[in-house]
Amino acid sequence: AQSVSQHNHHVILSEAASLELGCNYSYGGTVNLFWYVQYPGQHLQLLLKYFSGDPLVKGIKGFEAEFIKSKFSFNLRKPSVQWSDTAEYFCAVNPQTAGNKLTFGGGTRVLVKP
Amino acid sequence: SAVISQKPSRDICQRGTSLTIQCQVDSQVTMMFWYRQQPGQSLTLIATANQGSEATYESGFVIDKFPISRPNLTFSTLTVSNMSPEDSSIYLCSVGQNRNTEAFFGQGTRLTVV
Repeated sequence: AQSVSQHNHHVILSEAASLELGCNYSYGGTVNLFWYVQYPGQHLQLLLKYFSGDPLVKGIKGFEAEFIKSKFSFNLRKPSVQWSDTAEYFCAVNPQTAGNKLTFGGGTRVLVKP
Repeated sequence: SAVISQKPSRDICQRGTSLTIQCQVDSQVTMMFWYRQQPGQSLTLIATANQGSEATYESGFVIDKFPISRPNLTFSTLTVSNMSPEDSSIYLCSVGQNRNTEAFFGQGTRLTVV
């Protein structure tokens, strides 16, 4: 079975700082990769996704992620965060043979201080 | 995309009772899933809801505790049976169309068992 590991449980940043959240997965086959965000009191929303092609993917709100196959990683980045980026971020993996069934990482709570 | 409506959005229940959560989608979808998000935790897949047949449960989840129905391609229910305080969680419905597409999530049902 696959597993997903997010390196940081909590991150505290100041506005305009750069953000990078690590995500590693274990699975021997081909996967789809996702980052979801959960803002306080809101439901889960998709930030970005990777299925194939260019390993550098751009998502909403200035986020991007890079898939490095050799490292089984899919790290999320944003060059300059805003207070409104305060949220919990989840990395998720979906083997391409498994339909839309997702395995989630443990999540990273990000607090951006104004 | 798909618009998912879950009912109820929240409930407080007595231990030993059961609660049925409904998930309604605004369009026909191939795949429907139920996840649990325990307090401070990530999302864990409970089961895949199969139309017209028994759900497929993940390790650690059983039909007697979490019976699931899916009578058609737009609707599913999850029942949390014989509840205990440990069942206090957010329960989320997720849908997808097929492989290599993203999954969409409902807003969740916040369950508190007292």
